[in-house]
Amino acid sequence: GENVEQHPSTLSVQEGDSAVIKCTYSDSASNYFPWYKQELGKRPQLIIDIRSNVGEKKDQRIAVTLNKTAKHFSLHITETQPEDSAVYFCAAINGGSQGNLIFGKGTKLSVKP
Amino acid sequence: DVKVTQSSRYLVKRTGEKVFLECVQDMDHENMFWYRQDPGLGLRLIYFSYDVKMKEKGDIPEGYSVSREKKERFSLILESASTNQTSMYLCATLLLAGAYNEQFFGPGTRLTVL
Repeated sequence: GENVEQHPSTLSVQEGDSAVIKCTYSDSASNYFPWYKQELGKRPQLIIDIRSNVGEKKDQRIAVTLNKTAKHFSLHITETQPEDSAVYFCAAINGGSQGNLIFGKGTKLSVKP
Repeated sequence: DVKVTQSSRYLVKRTGEKVFLECVQDMDHENMFWYRQDPGLGLRLIYFSYDVKMKEKGDIPEGYSVSREKKERFSLILESASTNQTSMYLCATLLLAGAYNEQFFGPGTRLTVL
């Protein structure tokens, strides 16, 4: 089955700096890679996703890149703000529309003002 | 606008009790999932379902079963609760439709087994 590794487990940056979180996956058939933000005491919220037929996707200050050959994908947050502080999870899914959504263990991002 | 609801936010049960956790969605998503979330372990998949009456084991199905009699409802059952099942349980739904995808989590149920 699919295995998703996520690094780092914690990340601390200064406000205004960029943050990068990386994930690797094991199943080359995986074709959908969502990213989630979970604030303390709240449910995870989907913030951006990418399909395997796309190499990069951007939405304002966040972007995701995918390298299918190396089987890794990354989340990039630019101009970080204190409200970006949260736990971020990556996930991978395969199987077409009958997906098995597997998560990484999460990255706790702290943005210091 | 309610999308995914779970039957309880907090639940306290005793060892050996049978526990039902229910998840209901109003978005007509085919895929539904049950995860447990524990500190340092992230979100671990217990079971998932991609259609009515269909179920697949996730990474940690032991001690759990599921039921999906209707598309909108996915139930997680702990046949005989144990203290190591104390956790936050999250239900999720997913629709994959080409370029358009939707995915939501329920609010979670914090289960304590005494």
